[in-house]
Amino acid sequence: ETVLTQSPGTLSLSPGERATLSCRASQSVSSSYLAWYQQKPGQAPRLLIYGVSSRATGIPDRFSGSGSGTDFTLTISRLEPEDFALYYCQQYGSSLWTFGQGTKVEIK
Amino acid sequence: QLQLQESGPGLVKPSEALSLSCAVSGGSIETSHFWGWIRQPPGKGLEWIASIYYRGTTHYNPSLMHRVTISVDTSKNQFSLKLSSVTATDTAVYYCARHDHWGYHLDYWGQGTLVTVSS
Repeated sequence: ETVLTQSPGTLSLSPGERATLSCRASQSVSSSYLAWYQQKPGQAPRLLIYGVSSRATGIPDRFSGSGSGTDFTLTISRLEPEDFALYYCQQYGSSLWTFGQGTKVEIK
Repeated sequence: QLQLQESGPGLVKPSEALSLSCAVSGGSIETSHFWGWIRQPPGKGLEWIASIYYRGTTHYNPSLMHRVTISVDTSKNQFSLKLSSVTATDTAVYYCARHDHWGYHLDYWGQGTLVTVSS
């Protein structure tokens, strides 16, 4: 089973700043199989990025994903007030779906 | 617009079985998509539980598969989860979701339902 480790656990930033979230896999992940989700309090997760770098429907272009192999990054170019939330990476492999433990982006 | 809605008891006693259903509206469950269950204990992260294709193909999380059954009812356009021998550690918000076309990710989610295991 591939374990995903996200860092940092919490990111304290101000609106307008750039956020860089990391997701490291315990073994190589195919680029097609890596996604990012956003979750706000009391809500279900929402698919943001799939296939490492493709934005899901309706996701603004300030969200971008990159990486390959075992190291992946979610970047939010300029934080909007609505972007302060929890973010999870997720991978697929061998008919198993696993999530990272999450990174909280909070207002500084 | 596709919508998923979980339903089931909010309180289950220890050692009993937890049963949830997910009603799919705005589209058919008989499509080229898998349908899955994911849970989230209070204040913790997401854990995939199981997924099913409408023709019956299933995938289970190895850590839970000895207690989990996922099933589909195409006549009702819904799928279901049964988790047996529950303990307090099974207390969580349970989400149903649709896998995307390739099956790799989850593109539509229900709002989630909190299930508490307590006597």
